[in-house]
Amino acid sequence: AQTVTQSQPEMSVQEAETVTLSCTYDTSESDYYLFWYKQPPSRQMILVIRQEAYKQQNATENRFSVNFQKAAKSFSLKISDSQLGDAAMYFCAYRSYYSGGGADGLTFGKGTHLIIQP
Amino acid sequence: EAGVVQSPRYKIIEKKQPVAFWCNPISGHNTLYWYRQNLGQGPELLIRYENEEAVDDSQLPKDRFSAERLKGVDSTLKIQPAELGDSAVYLCASSRTGGVSANYGYTFGSGTRLTVV
Repeated sequence: AQTVTQSQPEMSVQEAETVTLSCTYDTSESDYYLFWYKQPPSRQMILVIRQEAYKQQNATENRFSVNFQKAAKSFSLKISDSQLGDAAMYFCAYRSYYSGGGADGLTFGKGTHLIIQP
Repeated sequence: EAGVVQSPRYKIIEKKQPVAFWCNPISGHNTLYWYRQNLGQGPELLIRYENEEAVDDSQLPKDRFSAERLKGVDSTLKIQPAELGDSAVYLCASSRTGGVSANYGYTFGSGTRLTVV
């Protein structure tokens, strides 16, 4: 079974600064997908960024980028120019490669609470 | 398009009472998931449906939990009887089945926060 570990229960950053959230995972699979989700107090999980394991290039989405190190099984999220609206819980998640059947469920880490200081 | 709709948003019940949660997925999404999120934890998968069929219910506590997805659209998750340890947020998510879009992240609802007293 796969496991996802987020070692930072809470992180704090000044507005407009850059912050990096850490995630490591354990798997014996070679093909898989990794995700970062944001969960504000409204509870809805919002997809921030996605990375396919077979792609060497790190994914980017505007101010959000990842550092994917497949050999180290590390998948960190960098948020540049932090904004007050970025404050939320952030979850790292893993999913096995879609093999033609149904899409498997996600395995989540315990989350990191991100605080943005004005 | 409308998102994943869940109701109720909050529910408080006494232990040993039954409770049900409802989920309406995004139109056209064949795959539906129920997750449970305990306080301070990430969500954990309870059950996955492909249309009407429950294809992964290995994490569903079958002695007290049940789920159904009639006609492959709406789904209901039930707990009977509820225990104190069932207090959590119950999240529903949906996704397309097949093709590249199946590899995208899922769309989640806002969840039901259950408190058992």
